[in-house]
Amino acid sequence: KNQVEQSPQSLIILEGKNCTLQCNYTVSPFSNLRWYKQDTGRGPVSLTIMTFSENTKSNGRYTATLDADTKQSSLHITASQLSDSASYICVVSRNTGGFKTIFGAGTRLFVKA
Amino acid sequence: SQTIHQWPATLVQPVGSPLSLECTVEGTSNPNLYWYRQAAGRGLQLLFYSVGIGQISSEVPQNLSASRPQDRQFILSSKKLLLSDSGFYLCAWGAGGSNYGYTFGSGTRLTVV
Repeated sequence: KNQVEQSPQSLIILEGKNCTLQCNYTVSPFSNLRWYKQDTGRGPVSLTIMTFSENTKSNGRYTATLDADTKQSSLHITASQLSDSASYICVVSRNTGGFKTIFGAGTRLFVKA
Repeated sequence: SQTIHQWPATLVQPVGSPLSLECTVEGTSNPNLYWYRQAAGRGLQLLFYSVGIGQISSEVPQNLSASRPQDRQFILSSKKLLLSDSGFYLCAWGAGGSNYGYTFGSGTRLTVV
């Protein structure tokens, strides 16, 4: 079954600290993996996209990694800011000739002063 | 640059009333358009997608329908709302295929009472 599981479900950190969010997937055949940031009550905004051959990609303080062998990805946030408080969603697409995208349930991150 | 507009931002409707949510895209032509629903604490669920005018594919059976009367307009409708239709609805567009990221609208919070 094609699934995307994210952990932890929620996370509280202090401003300035680093954190890592996890994404495990069983989607096959794999096409690409994306991380989105979703502020409360808003639409998701793309942070990174990685294909099979890419194992790391950065976007400012956000760094995503991908291990296609173990089907795991992580999103590392460096020097967190209050504005990083949001849900982070892992999205995996299948390469089926058509389109099929599976969304994780997200990790809710709270950054406290 | 491409932009996506979705309205209204919030909506409270009684059970049995009709629904019409509209989404428009600017700055691109022949986009793939999507309607997603996000239940509280859950991942995004694809409801409908369209690859062209008048072409609608439904991912899950439900009380909702979608239409694409113009190239850059996507409408989500219901003749009679159910309590279970409450949720956060997101419109998105993509350039085509599963190898491209999506750009999401700002979302509509629908509460059926």
